[in-house]
Amino acid sequence: EVQLVESGGGLVQPGGSLRLSCAVSGFSFNDHYMDWVRQAPGKGLEWVGCSRNKANKQTTEYAASVKGRFTISRDDSRNSLYLQMNSLRPEDTAVYFCTRMTATWLNDYWGQGTLVTVSS
Amino acid sequence: DIQMTQSPSSLSASVGDRVTITCQTSEDISNSLAWFQQKPGRAPKPLIHAASNLQTGVPSKFSGSGSGTHFSLIISSLQPEDFATYYCQQYQTYPITFGQGTRLEIK
Repeated sequence: EVQLVESGGGLVQPGGSLRLSCAVSGFSFNDHYMDWVRQAPGKGLEWVGCSRNKANKQTTEYAASVKGRFTISRDDSRNSLYLQMNSLRPEDTAVYFCTRMTATWLNDYWGQGTLVTVSS
Repeated sequence: DIQMTQSPSSLSASVGDRVTITCQTSEDISNSLAWFQQKPGRAPKPLIHAASNLQTGVPSKFSGSGSGTHFSLIISSLQPEDFATYYCQQYQTYPITFGQGTRLEIK
């Protein structure tokens, strides 16, 4: 059974940092691109960024709104995806989902999400 | 960035109705479009990819069409479990972008 479990969310002050983790199981993690998608309270979905698979050198892409502040990494040996978030702003407050991307570019499996609240 | 214009933003319908949600993109994305369903407090669920391909396990009451810049999601014979928010997503080009969502409510 495919599972994605996010952790690491919480309350952080503006300007602070937080590291989210996504532990996966039930599939060959190193074969897949992985995305982070977020959803502010009561708002729509926003793509945050992606980590390509090992075959594509685990390179990354980011949304303009987080580029230079957020860093996506992965540890294939631990079947884990990470999102390092620095210089956090109130507008980064959201539920953060990790999601698997298939070879046909579909985000087919999603975690349950972890809430990040940026507030003083 | 490719802009997504999804309409309507909200829709009120009755059980048994057939509804259509549309998504227009600012650039030609061929058929690189997916549709998701999301219920409150839950992660999005994929319904359709490549504009018209039904995801495994999704009932055939859901169908998608379109290519280029105009796309549609049709839901036939609405049931209570179908009332949710629906999003389109383009994956032709980074950054991946989503429509703003359509909230489907019971009339």
